[in-house]
Amino acid sequence: QKEVEQDPGPLSVPEGAIVSLNCTYSNSAFQYFMWYRQYSRKGPELLMYTYSSGNKEDGRFTAQVDKSSKYISLFIRDSQPSDSATYLCAMSSGGYQKVTFGIGTKLQVIP
Amino acid sequence: GAVVSQHPSRVICKSGTSVKIECRSLDFQATTMFWYRQFPKQSLMLMATSNEGSKATYEQGVEKDKFLINHASLTLSTLTVTSAHPEDSSFYICSARDRTGASTDTQYFGPGTRLTVL
Repeated sequence: QKEVEQDPGPLSVPEGAIVSLNCTYSNSAFQYFMWYRQYSRKGPELLMYTYSSGNKEDGRFTAQVDKSSKYISLFIRDSQPSDSATYLCAMSSGGYQKVTFGIGTKLQVIP
Repeated sequence: GAVVSQHPSRVICKSGTSVKIECRSLDFQATTMFWYRQFPKQSLMLMATSNEGSKATYEQGVEKDKFLINHASLTLSTLTVTSAHPEDSSFYICSARDRTGASTDTQYFGPGTRLTVL
């Protein structure tokens, strides 16, 4: 079993839809959770960072962490074609430990 | 925001040659830099962790004599792929951790280097 599971997609949604992206994990020591956006042939760009459980909102993006279920989500409201990219979840146990990435979910927002 | 640059963005070389990739943190000091490989439709694979002024720590299965890493300053790390072969063709991405940041675990990524070995 992989430490971090993420559906690779692709996920196609119409413009304006609410997008839900998810990851599950098995390591209960993970405390830091990140979401990165990666456009084709580019490096990942940090979108959201969350410590422990709870919600965090930044503009159209909301990150949720449920440590009891070992489940994290990224919601994108009013999705735009420019949101089309691959979204990677990432997590670590802190203390400068290695960050573990999901495989990434490819999202396509159709105009 | 924290910016990481990588050079070159794309390189094509003949089998047997060595290729050097540079990773720079432009507006912050990075005590730690990371080197990843990414194959199509696969996750980022950590190759090594590079700490300024000390030897890099390589992940299991990564040949340290083939992938030479140098982190001579707080803003520069280099990865040299020695005697490159076609199977080394991949997308190489570096990232850097901001030593002054509140978060110890967020990494800022470079734009990546596409290596093609003929």
